[in-house]
Amino acid sequence: NAGVTQTPKFQVLKTGQSMTLQCAQDMNHEYMSWYRQDPGMGLRLIHYSVGAGITDQGEVPNGYNVSRSTTEDFPLRLLSAAPSQTSVYFCASRDHATGTEGYTFGSGTRLTVV
Amino acid sequence: SQQGEEDPQALSIQEGENATMNCSYKTSINNLQWYRQNSGRGLVHLILIRSNEREKHSGRLRVTLDTSKKSSSLLITASRAADTASYFCANYSGGYQKVTFGIGTKLQVIP
Repeated sequence: NAGVTQTPKFQVLKTGQSMTLQCAQDMNHEYMSWYRQDPGMGLRLIHYSVGAGITDQGEVPNGYNVSRSTTEDFPLRLLSAAPSQTSVYFCASRDHATGTEGYTFGSGTRLTVV
Repeated sequence: SQQGEEDPQALSIQEGENATMNCSYKTSINNLQWYRQNSGRGLVHLILIRSNEREKHSGRLRVTLDTSKKSSSLLITASRAADTASYFCANYSGGYQKVTFGIGTKLQVIP
């Protein structure tokens, strides 16, 4: 099993550009989430999904879109990149709704917006 | 904000000593988790303690939970240099749909 795979690992964007961060998991997990990690601020939830076709906003959703057309994939789209979106982005997945399992995390995408 | 707060934010100890880090939330605690993050890597799930449990052990890890104080602590016994990492607590909210993380404790274990 590959677990949670994120691509790319590094990306530099110019202000105003758009891009999609990819996330795929092969564990048939229902729940997937995107977090951003900034120094001194821990991880903040951007968007999450409780199953294919269902997504919802987290704590910091502005400037990001998501979709969940399949169980495996949960891409994160930056619509018009801004320097404030410079961060490390993590995708994570878990199995059930019971809240008794932890997340499996991807290795992250380090994004710089100039 | 539902974000948790860890204390201390940084901790430096000698190899062999015990390391204790604490986590508190303003919201109610539901099945609290602890994660480790090595530098430049993703988070790794360490242990989950259910809201009806008070203490849980896993190897050299001991986690306690006080739901009335909305707080938890993680104890790492007989620390090793390989334990050097950041440690995060995480709490379920929104009917187990959302997981909110603390800001983390950076642990350095000196050989």
